[in-house]
Amino acid sequence: DIVMTQTPLLSPVTLGQPASISCRSSQTLLHSNGDIYFNWLHQRPGQPPRLLTYNISNRFSGVPDRFSGSGAGTDFTLKINRVEAEDVGIYYCMQATQSPYTFGQGTKLEIK
Amino acid sequence: EVHLVESGGDLVQPGGSLRLSCAASGFNFSGSWMSWVRQAPGKGLEWVAKIKGDGSEKYYVASVKGRFSISRDNAKNSLYLQMNSLRPEDTAVYYCVFFWTGSLWGQGTLVTVSS
Repeated sequence: DIVMTQTPLLSPVTLGQPASISCRSSQTLLHSNGDIYFNWLHQRPGQPPRLLTYNISNRFSGVPDRFSGSGAGTDFTLKINRVEAEDVGIYYCMQATQSPYTFGQGTKLEIK
Repeated sequence: EVHLVESGGDLVQPGGSLRLSCAASGFNFSGSWMSWVRQAPGKGLEWVAKIKGDGSEKYYVASVKGRFSISRDNAKNSLYLQMNSLRPEDTAVYYCVFFWTGSLWGQGTLVTVSS
């Protein structure tokens, strides 16, 4: 199984300041069809996860441009340019390249 | 717009059975792999099962193999999860998820396994 490892697990951030979350996969996420099935998800308390980025760096429809995804190989990063109050919650990385699909442990972003 | 609406969650005793449903709309359902993902209270996300668009291929996480069965009815744009021999550790919110290179999630339905 592909293991997804996130750091940090807790991220206290001041409003208006940047934040960064890292995710490392134990194997390459390059599918045999040439796609990379890697998502960043955001989950607010009591809500389902929602897609932020896919294919490493593509922002999903409606996601603010303060969110950006990057990475290559087995190392990926989600950056938030200037944290806003609505950004609190848990961030997950995940891979859907190989079954079983797997998720990172989650990073809790909170406001200082 | 893509919509995924789960139903069927309930309180069930250990050893019992439950069938979850997911109504899908807004995309090519019959041509899409569909999955179930669960989240135990206060815990992270765990992928449970997936099924190919025509239903010909199915995959499961090891912990539910032999107990859970995923199926679909493309005429009704519906996805199902039959859960048998339920255990307390199956207690979770179950999400219906459409994965492509991205993912879209339903609101979830709560399954509680307890005596």
